[in-house]
Amino acid sequence: GENVEQHPSTLSVQEGDSAVIKCTYSDSASNYFPWYKQELGKRPQLIIDIRSNVGEKKDQRIAVTLNKTAKHFSLHITETQPEDSAVYFCAASGAGSRLTFGEGTQLTVNP
Amino acid sequence: GAGVSQSPSNKVTEKGKDVELRCDPISGHTALYWYRQSLGQGLEFLIYFQGNSAPDKSGLPSDRFSAERTGGSVSTLTIQRTQQEDSAVYLCASSLLANTGELFFGEGSRLTVL
Repeated sequence: GENVEQHPSTLSVQEGDSAVIKCTYSDSASNYFPWYKQELGKRPQLIIDIRSNVGEKKDQRIAVTLNKTAKHFSLHITETQPEDSAVYFCAASGAGSRLTFGEGTQLTVNP
Repeated sequence: GAGVSQSPSNKVTEKGKDVELRCDPISGHTALYWYRQSLGQGLEFLIYFQGNSAPDKSGLPSDRFSAERTGGSVSTLTIQRTQQEDSAVYLCASSLLANTGELFFGEGSRLTVL
């Protein structure tokens, strides 16, 4: 089955800096790569996703890049704000495989 | 309903008792997942239902755990003879598309086993 590894497990940045979280996956057939944000005490929510037919997708301060050859994808957050502090989960799935999550990254944005 | 509904929101039980957790997914969503999340930890996959296919039970930690989904809608997760290590938040999520659609999570059921 699919295996997703996520790094780093914790990340601390200063407000205004950029944050990058990286994930690798094992199943070359995977074609859907979402990112979820979980604020303390709340449920995970989708913030951005990318499908294998594109290499990059942006939504305001958030972007995701995908390298299918290397089987890795990354989340980039620019101009970080304290409200970006949360746990971020990457995931991967395909037509024949269920969604598999990474272990999560605790992002702390220091004012 | 407008979102995924889970009940109870909180459950405190004694070791050795059985518990049932309920998930009511978004209407029309064919995919349903159960996850377990201990404090400060990640999303531990438990079981996955997709339409009329046989469920993927590969994440269930022991035979004390079981789940069913009746009529392709409501799902119940049952934990028999609960142990203290079962204490966690149990999250349910549903999706319109089988494997490649947005997951909508419920608020979770917090289980505490004394």
